[in-house]
Amino acid sequence: GAGVSQSPSNKVTEKGKDVELRCDPISGHTALYWYRQRLGQGLEFLIYFQGNSAPDKSGLPSDRFSAERTGESVSTLTIQRTQQEDSAVYLCASSLGRAILQQYFGPGTRLTVT
Amino acid sequence: DQQVKQNSPSLSVQEGRISILNCDYTNSMFDYFLWYKKYPAEGPTFLISISSIKDKNEDGRFTVFLNKSAKHLSLHIVPSQPGDSAVYFCAARGTTSYDKVIFGPGTSLSVIP
Repeated sequence: GAGVSQSPSNKVTEKGKDVELRCDPISGHTALYWYRQRLGQGLEFLIYFQGNSAPDKSGLPSDRFSAERTGESVSTLTIQRTQQEDSAVYLCASSLGRAILQQYFGPGTRLTVT
Repeated sequence: DQQVKQNSPSLSVQEGRISILNCDYTNSMFDYFLWYKKYPAEGPTFLISISSIKDKNEDGRFTVFLNKSAKHLSLHIVPSQPGDSAVYFCAARGTTSYDKVIFGPGTSLSVIP
């Protein structure tokens, strides 16, 4: 079956522009996570969706970052007025549900802000 | 403040020998730990996990050891193979959210043929 997919795989944008990153989780997975990995660093938690519960947004670094999820399917991460420090790989992961800790990751979107 | 630490950014091991990747954590309330492997240009993939009620879990060439008193865990790969060359992330179940996992910064393993 299909794994987690993300698009685009690469995105180059100018500073100040808005970008939208997309994640398609594995069908049936109710939990969805977004992470950021800056060059040479580990995975930084951004936001977590579980079913119809209010998302855990505790990792979003600023109000320029937002994310939405349509039901238990597609999620989009939006970064407004991008800055150079937003350059990173943005990873999406999904899992079967609450307290199912094994996450399945997508290949990531590499964002470069020039 | 980093709650999950992997103090060795990189490690090189000869093929056939043992690879030992270390991870330290600061929060004694963590109750579940996982290791993920990541190849370049791919997302991390789950490798092995351990509950805090155990001190060892084994899966083929991979064994994870947990020392709760020292807040330390390690991943052993025996024998190491060139295909094991990847970045390895240690992760722990967070306490602020039962569903959230906190990742360490990763250790890059190179297995030399």
